[in-house]
Amino acid sequence: SQKIEQNSEALNIQEGKTATLTCNYTNYSPAYLQWYRQDPGRGPVFLLLIRENEKEKRKERLKVTFDTTLKQSLFHITASQPADSATYLCAPSYSGNTPLVFGKGTRLSVIA
Amino acid sequence: NAGVMQNPRHLVRRRGQEARLRCSPMKGHSHVYWYRQLPEEGLKFMVYLQKENIIDESGMPKERFSAEFPKEGPSILRIQQVVRGDSAAYFCASSPQEEYGYTFGSGTRLTVV
Repeated sequence: SQKIEQNSEALNIQEGKTATLTCNYTNYSPAYLQWYRQDPGRGPVFLLLIRENEKEKRKERLKVTFDTTLKQSLFHITASQPADSATYLCAPSYSGNTPLVFGKGTRLSVIA
Repeated sequence: NAGVMQNPRHLVRRRGQEARLRCSPMKGHSHVYWYRQLPEEGLKFMVYLQKENIIDESGMPKERFSAEFPKEGPSILRIQQVVRGDSAAYFCASSPQEEYGYTFGSGTRLTVV
């Protein structure tokens, strides 16, 4: 069955460092992959979408890579800030009328 | 544009009652998705609708749960004869078409007592 694994439930890093979150998937050949941020008590917020023919995508301090051979996406936040503390969710997806299936998320804490 | 509007934000129901959760998608979005989230758990897909059509309901329990997205008005997720295990946060999301990021609402927190 399809499986999405996000590294460690919680990740603590020091302010100013680069946070790297991992999303691995099995029994999947997604056409694209999305990353979301969720704060406690709130709905997820869309951050980035990367397609299978794109190796890397950037948006401000965020960078996402997508390796279809390794079946893995890496999500980087450079120059991390305490305001980046949240749970980050990945969602690999097929094209067509296929709703997103989310990983359990990684809770990131950036310590000042 | 007010974003995806869900109401109520909090809903308390006694066991056996019905719960109705409403979702108004963003203007111009014709795809609506419902998800359930338990404390410390991930988002679980329930149902995907387009106007007047259910596209995928594979995540929705066959009994007691139903969803609709009528031509006019919000999408409704209906839970009949609620049980304690239905207590969760229910999120609605919308998108303008496939392969776009979803816009989520703030959720409805259902508590069954």
